[in-house]
Amino acid sequence: GAVVSQHPSWVICKSGTSVKIECRSLDFQATTMFWYRQFPKKSLMLMATSNEGSKATYEQGVEKDKFLINHASLTLSTLTVTSAHPEDSSFYICSATNSGAKNIQYFGAGTRLSVL
Amino acid sequence: DAKTTQPTSMDCAEGRAANLPCNHSTISGNEYVYWYRQIHSQGPQYIIHGLKNNETNEMASLIITEDRKSSTLILPHATLRDTAVYYCIVRVNTNAGKSTFGDGTTLTVKP
Repeated sequence: GAVVSQHPSWVICKSGTSVKIECRSLDFQATTMFWYRQFPKKSLMLMATSNEGSKATYEQGVEKDKFLINHASLTLSTLTVTSAHPEDSSFYICSATNSGAKNIQYFGAGTRLSVL
Repeated sequence: DAKTTQPTSMDCAEGRAANLPCNHSTISGNEYVYWYRQIHSQGPQYIIHGLKNNETNEMASLIITEDRKSSTLILPHATLRDTAVYYCIVRVNTNAGKSTFGDGTTLTVKP
């Protein structure tokens, strides 16, 4: 199946710093990508929809200034966690829809963020 | 997106078929049923999807009831590596269709 790559897979940072997570569709173009976060033993929660060339659409309760999303090309979306705090520690997962393959949504392997 | 209901957990013996049910009684006519699974600390893996006809691929079979209000994912010969959380998702089959995850079913395959 199509591959969605996330980088880094694991990041540890100090409180107050910003962290950028990249999501790439490796063998297809994606005008829309999605960002999720997942806490231990919980399900995935949709944070925002990343739209190529336009502003992201955030789900209710997600701070847009806290979680900056940039979708500058058809194969790359980035999520920046600004001024990270320990409560932002989580598993962040992106996904992209392959419109050339029956609109199947493929997910990245996830990024584990630990804020000290 | 339509809400889905799945059992919290299920066990299955290795080599036997695993049948995972999902209720989606409020599904709309243009919404598809998708199944994913998530193995611990990994991203969800696509398994199969369908609209109204039964579907089969190399991983599993999907049986959708005639009224489309429920479906069953079948893993024909479960192995230990199939132990995972299985998610049933209902969404429109478009580029921008959002996937809303419920709590899923934790399938444990036992030797």
